[in-house]
Amino acid sequence: DARVTQTPRHKVTEMGQEVTMRCQPILGHNTVFWYRQTMMQGLELLAYFRNRAPLDDSGMPKDRFSAEMPDATLATLKIQPSEPRDSAVYFCASGPTPLSGSYNEQFFGPGTRLTVL
Amino acid sequence: EDQVTQSPEALRLQEGESSSLNCSYTVSGLRGLFWYRQDPGKGPEFLFTLYSAGEEKEKERLKATLTKKESFLHITAPKPEDSATYLCAVQAAGTYKYIFGTGTRLKVLA
Repeated sequence: DARVTQTPRHKVTEMGQEVTMRCQPILGHNTVFWYRQTMMQGLELLAYFRNRAPLDDSGMPKDRFSAEMPDATLATLKIQPSEPRDSAVYFCASGPTPLSGSYNEQFFGPGTRLTVL
Repeated sequence: EDQVTQSPEALRLQEGESSSLNCSYTVSGLRGLFWYRQDPGKGPEFLFTLYSAGEEKEKERLKATLTKKESFLHITAPKPEDSATYLCAVQAAGTYKYIFGTGTRLKVLA
């Protein structure tokens, strides 16, 4: 049963600390997405990658957030320094390469619940 | 600007009471419309993709339909285990990005 995995599932940290979240996409998927979910804003796209290359990170606060894919089995989202307003659930999703003219469903991981005190 | 609006925000049904959830969208060239179910503390779970107006998809008690401006998720004879937040998303032509609605929180009472 192929699934997206994320670690850690929960993270509590103090303001100013660095936070790193990890995601293992489904094997064979080559598009990876990072989302943030809050009660007020719902699901917001932060960044997405295709074939490990960042295609769009316009949803991320550039001064403190960074996203990378060091290899095809690992995507990371880093916040440095963290702030209380970063408290949210962060989801990673992956999807297969869409064939020409078709579509790609996204499959979500369980999320990392981040609390910044 | 691409936009997705879901209604109602919350819905309470008695077990067996059928109803529909709405997803209205504006997008510059629809590539796909997606329905997800999200349980508390979990990630969204994929339900359906709809590609073109007039298309319908079914899964157990759920049926999704699509027009040029909106999609409906019909729930027939719901059970308490159908309680969840249902999310709608659209993907515009030429992009991998999804635009999500804020969801409908469904509660089915036994």
